[in-house]
Amino acid sequence: KAGVTQTPRYLIKTRGQQVTLSCSPISGHRSVSWYQQTPGQGLQFLFEYFSETQRNKGNFPGRFSGRQFSNSRSEMNVSTLELGDSALYLCASSHSSGNSYNSPLHFGNGTRLTVT
Amino acid sequence: AQKITQTQPGMFVQEKEAVTLDCTYDTSDPSYGLFWYKQPSSGEMIFLIYQGSYDQQNATEGRYSLNFQKARKSANLVISASQLGDSAMYFCAMREETSGSRLTFGEGTQLTVNP
Repeated sequence: KAGVTQTPRYLIKTRGQQVTLSCSPISGHRSVSWYQQTPGQGLQFLFEYFSETQRNKGNFPGRFSGRQFSNSRSEMNVSTLELGDSALYLCASSHSSGNSYNSPLHFGNGTRLTVT
Repeated sequence: AQKITQTQPGMFVQEKEAVTLDCTYDTSDPSYGLFWYKQPSSGEMIFLIYQGSYDQQNATEGRYSLNFQKARKSANLVISASQLGDSAMYFCAMREETSGSRLTFGEGTQLTVNP
């Protein structure tokens, strides 16, 4: 079974631009979550999608948005990029159909975004 | 308040020895899950082991075991017979029933295995 696939692996953008990151979950997984990892803030939850609906959201500004398609693939968009958005963005999928606290998340390799 | 605390920023262990990585957590939710992940320098987060709040026995997965002490709110990861490939960052994480799908992570412990 293929794992979680994130594209691209690396991105370099300039301040003010926007960026779209893509995530394909493990086959059969309908829940997709996004996390931001920075040296200063650690791993922080962005949002989660299930069956094309945002089910949970972290404390990030509205510049961060996402969506999920009918095949469970997800995209994350960041508009008006700031230097502080430089981070590793990790996507994770889960088999859980409900909010099962005992269901592990399976992560992709991440997209490393650098904003200059 | 910090929900997941990992007090060891860095740990060193000799190859073939066992090592314990500490994790304490804070929650008022009676239903929760505790997870350990490994993150090599490549960036991927690899799921290692899970312990549920109602589990009576400590979880084990190959060389990984979880020392779960519910009253102390600790969930320490034990890696037996360390290998050079175990060198990585290790994260403890918690998922509470009331927080849905959200995983809360600790700050991580950088483990280095010496030959």
